Amino acid sequence: QVQLQESGPGLVEPSQTLSLTCIVSGGSISSGSYYWTWIRQPAGKGLEWIGRFYISGTTNYNPSLKSRVTISGDTSKNQFSLKLSSVTAADTAVYYCARMNSIGNSGNDAFDIWGQGTMVTVSA
Amino acid sequence: DIQMTQSPSSLSASVGDRVTITCRASQTIRSYLNWYQQKPGKAPQLLIYAASSLQSGVPSRFSGSGSGTDFTLTISSLQPEDLAIYYCQQSYSTPWTFGQGTKMEIK
Repeated sequence: QVQLQESGPGLVEPSQTLSLTCIVSGGSISSGSYYWTWIRQPAGKGLEWIGRFYISGTTNYNPSLKSRVTISGDTSKNQFSLKLSSVTAADTAVYYCARMNSIGNSGNDAFDIWGQGTMVTVSA
Repeated sequence: DIQMTQSPSSLSASVGDRVTITCRASQTIRSYLNWYQQKPGKAPQLLIYAASSLQSGVPSRFSGSGSGTDFTLTISSLQPEDLAIYYCQQSYSTPWTFGQGTKMEIK
């Protein structure tokens, strides 16, 4: 079955760029059926959608982060990545990659597969 | 952005109880509503999609209903393993947004 695994530094200095990768196994990001997304969760808080990537190259970002976010895919490695620039302590969170799927032709998209999450701390 | 508001924020119930969580959207989202369960230290898992469809592998004691702006998640008979935080999420329009969560505790 499809599995997602996040990787990247657990500590990033303020004003630097946070870079994470999500490795997809058991399926291909080249499949035209899914969006590949990033979601984050500060400790003890709720979930925030960051953005999504489609194999055509189409991306959509949360307006609250749009000026700092880039999501891209690498089909040769079957992975997709998140870059968040100019980070501050407010960006400290668990970052999840997830697959967005239109299940059962309902026309409704849902995050049906998640990675385990990776904790990123922004600190000097 | 569409705001999602859940109630209650926390809930304590006994094993076997029927429990209901409510989610309200700030504008109509038709049936573009999903429910997730997040157990301690784990990633969220999809329970219900399109307001009332049970995700594959999810126990039948979970059910969802509603459309427009008001939705409910019901657990028909609470089990010890249902200790978790439950989130609703709208997929009607970007940015996709989540409710603040409902923390389920077992008495």
